[in-house]
Amino acid sequence: DTAVSQTPKYLVTQMGNDKSIKCEQNLGHDTMYWYKQDSKKFLKIMFSYNNKELIINETVPNRFSPKSPDKAHLNLHINSLELGDSAVYFCASSQDFSRWGTEAFFGQGTRLTVV
Amino acid sequence: AQKITQTQPGMFVQEKEAVTLDCTYDTSDQSYGLFWYKQPSSGEMIFLIYQGSYDEQNATEGRYSLNFQKARKSANLVISASQLGDSAMYFCAMRGTYSSASKIIFGSGTRLSIRP
Repeated sequence: DTAVSQTPKYLVTQMGNDKSIKCEQNLGHDTMYWYKQDSKKFLKIMFSYNNKELIINETVPNRFSPKSPDKAHLNLHINSLELGDSAVYFCASSQDFSRWGTEAFFGQGTRLTVV
Repeated sequence: AQKITQTQPGMFVQEKEAVTLDCTYDTSDQSYGLFWYKQPSSGEMIFLIYQGSYDEQNATEGRYSLNFQKARKSANLVISASQLGDSAMYFCAMRGTYSSASKIIFGSGTRLSIRP
């Protein structure tokens, strides 16, 4: 059983389109995240959710809108896609964001290419 | 603000040798966790090892150990008896407390290549 699963794995789309990435975790974790990995492999936090509530928004453009229907799901919707949005997007989850010793488990990533 | 620094963009090591990947961190938190992740060419992020700031002993997980030097704010990953399958990107990461607890921040990574 996959612990954190994202769909789709690959996404190629044209500039200006709107797209969504879905994420689900079956670990029973309370906290979920979206990370962006750029072409230089740098990983940057975008959003953190705890029990469906947004707790971090790291100055991400408002074209990016996360949505958590329940604590096992965190989706990412991107409006008006731009070339600079091309990256690998990772969903992750952890037990409890307030516990500093808690590691995060990552999904397999979604490679988004905007053409 | 918290920061993770990995100063080795790339390393080449002979198979079966031990390798140390460097990581230094900066935080004003008293309590924090340090992590290492592996990212093979297939792209997934694999959790390797964890060290808590109050842990007196260095963490070990199989061939992985974490050389934790709190006063120097370093958390180096040591891989013993390297294998070809260890070729990957390795990321050092940290989670702090209070407002810093809600995210894990990552260093820029080290690309490790194992030579047969």
